[in-house]
Amino acid sequence: KQEVTQIPAALSVPEGENLVLNCSFTDSAIYNLQWFRQDPGKGLTSLLLIQSSQREQTSGRLNASLDKSSGRSTLYIAASQPGDSATYLCAVQSEKLVFGKGTKLTVNP
Amino acid sequence: KAGVTQTPRYLIKTRGQQVTLSCSPISGHRSVSWYQQTPGQGLQFLFEYFSETQRNKGNFPGRFSGRQFSNSRSEMNVSTLELGDSALYLCASSFSGELFFGEGSRLTVL
Repeated sequence: KQEVTQIPAALSVPEGENLVLNCSFTDSAIYNLQWFRQDPGKGLTSLLLIQSSQREQTSGRLNASLDKSSGRSTLYIAASQPGDSATYLCAVQSEKLVFGKGTKLTVNP
Repeated sequence: KAGVTQTPRYLIKTRGQQVTLSCSPISGHRSVSWYQQTPGQGLQFLFEYFSETQRNKGNFPGRFSGRQFSNSRSEMNVSTLELGDSALYLCASSFSGELFFGEGSRLTVL
């Protein structure tokens, strides 16, 4: 059974800092991994999708990496801004889509 | 291009009632999946439909059901509501593995 863990559960940083969010999964037989952000009371916004054959994806200030063999993915956010404050979730697609519990990020001005 | 649309956005029901939620996917997307989000359990997969067929199902009781129509729109139904069914219900449509979510339907069961 696939299990997805995100550490830390919460993170508070000053504006401008570079930061890394972690996601680990127990079963390396995955099709893809996707990172989302969720604002309070809202749906999920797709940030990056990494196919199982890929090692990383980049979009603007975001970079996500995938290491299937170790069951890990990281989301790197460069030059963080207060608007980046949200909960970040990773989701692993194997037989079913399994989400982590998320990391709540607060970027302080 | 319109995003995923879920209706209603908010609803309040009492125990024992039933509820139907609707999801209109992004035009051209044939896969629709449903999720339940609660503070304690996080996001949990309910079921997935593709071309009107249920392709996968999560570990939820039979009170939770769904269907998909020929135009890819989907509905989910929860019968005999319980207090623990209070949650944000999210629908996603997908294309080439990437999921796009709606804003969700927030259900409160009293």
